[in-house]
Amino acid sequence: SQTIHQWPATLVQPVGSPLSLECTVEGTSNPNLYWYRQAAGRGLQLLFYSVGIGQISSEVPQNLSASRPQDRQFILSSKKLLLSDSGFYLCAFRGTYEQYFGPGTRLTVT
Amino acid sequence: QKEVEQNSGPLSVPEGAIASLNCTYSDRGSQSFFWYRQYSGKSPELIMFIYSNGDKEDGRFTAQLNKASQYVSLLIRDSQPSDSATYLCAVIAAGNKLTFGGGTRVLVKP
Repeated sequence: SQTIHQWPATLVQPVGSPLSLECTVEGTSNPNLYWYRQAAGRGLQLLFYSVGIGQISSEVPQNLSASRPQDRQFILSSKKLLLSDSGFYLCAFRGTYEQYFGPGTRLTVT
Repeated sequence: QKEVEQNSGPLSVPEGAIASLNCTYSDRGSQSFFWYRQYSGKSPELIMFIYSNGDKEDGRFTAQLNKASQYVSLLIRDSQPSDSATYLCAVIAAGNKLTFGGGTRVLVKP
């Protein structure tokens, strides 16, 4: 069966510090992968998606970037965090049409 | 107009009653529709999907789709306190993107 992992689970970072969140998927090959952000009390905002190694599409201009160095690995990064980057970051992979989410990383920027 | 709209709630339902959640979407070409449940502090989990007009039942959940009126609904029968969560409607529209509504918070009172 397919499983999706994210780490860390929680993160507290100061403004201006770098960020690296990792997502890995097991039990499937060449999945479509997605990064979402959910601000407190808000809906899901699609940040990036990837259909394959090295292929990244950005949905929203911001100070975040994504990379896919391996088939089942998806990384979300920032060089300098802003207060507005706080939120719940979710990685997902696509099934037939539906998407399945990882457990998420709760990021607080102080 | 938002692409996918839901009443934010909270929808307060007595235990054992039917909870009825509605979702409207703007893209008439949408083909696939999903309901996710999200407990506080957790990631969304897929509970139902529906592709054709009509009803689809899975246990205590029934999804209803009316493409002509551009709405999809979710009924939760015999509501339990464990059903208290935020329910997210998601739609695949043009460009094959999964777009989420803001979610409806459901409170089931014992």
